[in-house]
Amino acid sequence: DGGITQSPKYLFRKEGQNVTLSCEQNLNHDAMYWYRQDPGQGLRLIYYSQIVNDFQKGDIAEGYSVSREKKESFPLTVTSAQKNPTAFYLCATRPEGANNYGYTFGSGTRLTVV
Amino acid sequence: RKEVEQDPGPFNVPEGATVAFNCTYSNSASQSFFWYRQDCRKEPKLLMSVYSSGNEDGRFTAQLNRASQYISLLIRDSKLSDSATYLCVVSPIGAGNTPLVFGKGTRLSVIA
Repeated sequence: DGGITQSPKYLFRKEGQNVTLSCEQNLNHDAMYWYRQDPGQGLRLIYYSQIVNDFQKGDIAEGYSVSREKKESFPLTVTSAQKNPTAFYLCATRPEGANNYGYTFGSGTRLTVV
Repeated sequence: RKEVEQDPGPFNVPEGATVAFNCTYSNSASQSFFWYRQDCRKEPKLLMSVYSSGNEDGRFTAQLNRASQYISLLIRDSKLSDSATYLCVVSPIGAGNTPLVFGKGTRLSVIA
């Protein structure tokens, strides 16, 4: 089945630890996005990538890093510099030049600091 | 002014009721518009795109008013399964794949 796979579904992080969230897609979409959602809040853009080996900061990039070494994969690292990382993280994709298309989302990773 | 604004609700309606959600957007050059549905603790899923002429999909009708920068979603004959948060989403003008901008959502509870 074509789609987006996010893993893990649940992740627990200790204070001061870096963690990496995985996002893999087999939809052959060029653009990939990372959003964060806090309880009762809207989605906020962290990073996005329109092409392999290129990515741009979103509205809340501080404390996060990404890479886009291949089209299928766009991992997000939550670093120790991110002071309030507990949230629901969503990865999304969209086809090339597709402003008339919406996103396809993965099922999300729920990150909790313990 | 926020880019995309929605009434957060909650809207509590009985089964069979008709309910309407409104959304306003600030960027007059915005190109594309969508409604997404998000169930509790799940990812958002595309409900429908919104076209200038208005469009309907079963019990759901979406309208766009570019002059007023206003989008609406009408749900007729509400079902219990319609209970969810409805997100208004706008695509700003720009090069291909400019990130979408999301409203905070309107929560709907359909009550038996």
